[in-house]
Amino acid sequence: GDSVTQMEGPVTLSEEAFLTINCTYTATGYPSLFWYVQYPGEGLQLLLKATKADDKGSNKGFEATYRKETTSFHLEKGSVQVSDSAVYFCALLQQGAQKLVFGQGTRLTINP
Amino acid sequence: DSGVTQTPKHLITATGQRVTLRCSPRSGDLSVYWYQQSLDQGLQFLIQYYNGEERAKGNILERFSAQQFPDLHSELNLSSLELGDSALYFCASSVEPGGSGNTIYFGEGSWLTVV
Repeated sequence: GDSVTQMEGPVTLSEEAFLTINCTYTATGYPSLFWYVQYPGEGLQLLLKATKADDKGSNKGFEATYRKETTSFHLEKGSVQVSDSAVYFCALLQQGAQKLVFGQGTRLTINP
Repeated sequence: DSGVTQTPKHLITATGQRVTLRCSPRSGDLSVYWYQQSLDQGLQFLIQYYNGEERAKGNILERFSAQQFPDLHSELNLSSLELGDSALYFCASSVEPGGSGNTIYFGEGSWLTVV
């Protein structure tokens, strides 16, 4: 079945560092891909999405490109801030499916 | 604010009890989803409704049930609660019933603690 694998955390960086959180997926066809973020004590927020190969999703300085050839959707940000500390979830939604398939989440901590 | 509203935000109850979690989807969304987030299982899909009808079922226990009402709000009923049911329960909604072009928005969740 469909699955999503994220790099294991926790990840700790200093403010203004470059961030990459790896995400790879296994799925047939052409699913949509998402990054959701969960700030401490809060719910899941949609961060960005891409619906087809080579699409780039972006929001709040974060970017991710849908790479069909490597089945990847890595999350990147050029300069992280303390306020980016959260848990990040990669997810896919298969064509014709009703449910999101989530990765296990990556906890990110940014130190000042 | 995603527009998905869940109540209650926090709930503490005893084993063996029954609780009801409520969800109001975003305005215009016909589809409602329920997910469970626990430390050991991660984010698990429970069930989905579209315009009042059950559309998909995931890892939902027989002790749990849900429904979507004519005004599109949904309720998740959890009965005979066990310690292991302690988790964060998310409701989500979308316009479409599914498909890769869909975007699913989540509420802030209902924290359930079973003691």
